[in-house]
Amino acid sequence: EAQVTQNPRYLITVTGKKLTVTCSQNMNHEYMSWYRQDPGLGLRQIYYSMNVEVTDKGDVPEGYKVSRKEKRNFPLILESPSPNQTSLYFCASSMNHRVGANVLTFGAGSRLTVL
Amino acid sequence: GENVEQHPSTLSVQEGDSAVIKCTYSDSASNYFPWYKQELGKGPQLIIDIRSNVGEKKDQRIAVTLNKTAKHFSLHITETQPEDSAVYFCAASLSGSARQLTFGSGTQLTVLP
Repeated sequence: EAQVTQNPRYLITVTGKKLTVTCSQNMNHEYMSWYRQDPGLGLRQIYYSMNVEVTDKGDVPEGYKVSRKEKRNFPLILESPSPNQTSLYFCASSMNHRVGANVLTFGAGSRLTVL
Repeated sequence: GENVEQHPSTLSVQEGDSAVIKCTYSDSASNYFPWYKQELGKGPQLIIDIRSNVGEKKDQRIAVTLNKTAKHFSLHITETQPEDSAVYFCAASLSGSARQLTFGSGTQLTVLP
């Protein structure tokens, strides 16, 4: 089954404790992206990657890091989490970043709470 | 950058009635406008999209209209059913693809039996 898999689905952590949210897709997609969803703010892009070793900042990149060493994986790293990073996170992928590659396939989401 | 406003934030309709969700965008260069549906506990899923060279698009009970002059687009759901209950997001893209989509704030649609 074609899908985007995120782990963990739920996580409670404390301020300053580094964590990584993994994202993997099995569709051979070139384009991958991370979003956070907050009430009243919709989905905001954190980082995106157009291909292996190519990443760029989205609208809210502060406090986050990403890497794209392999085509299928795009982990989101919080080096020193803070309470304002408590949110619902989604990873998504698309065939590529070019016109016509329209459909974003989303993972099921990772709910993160930072105490 | 692009800014997308979405209204209403919540919408309740009786089963069988129609539902309309409206979005406005700020950048006249935006040329791709998808709508995503998010069911409880799941990630958003594309339900319909439209490009700036088209004024209207239909897919069974769902339709999207685009007014480029006014910079707004709308989602229309007819003959609503309980399974239409979900959060709906509009979005706009300057690149014509899924890259760098700017999403609206979402609409919680509840279809009452």
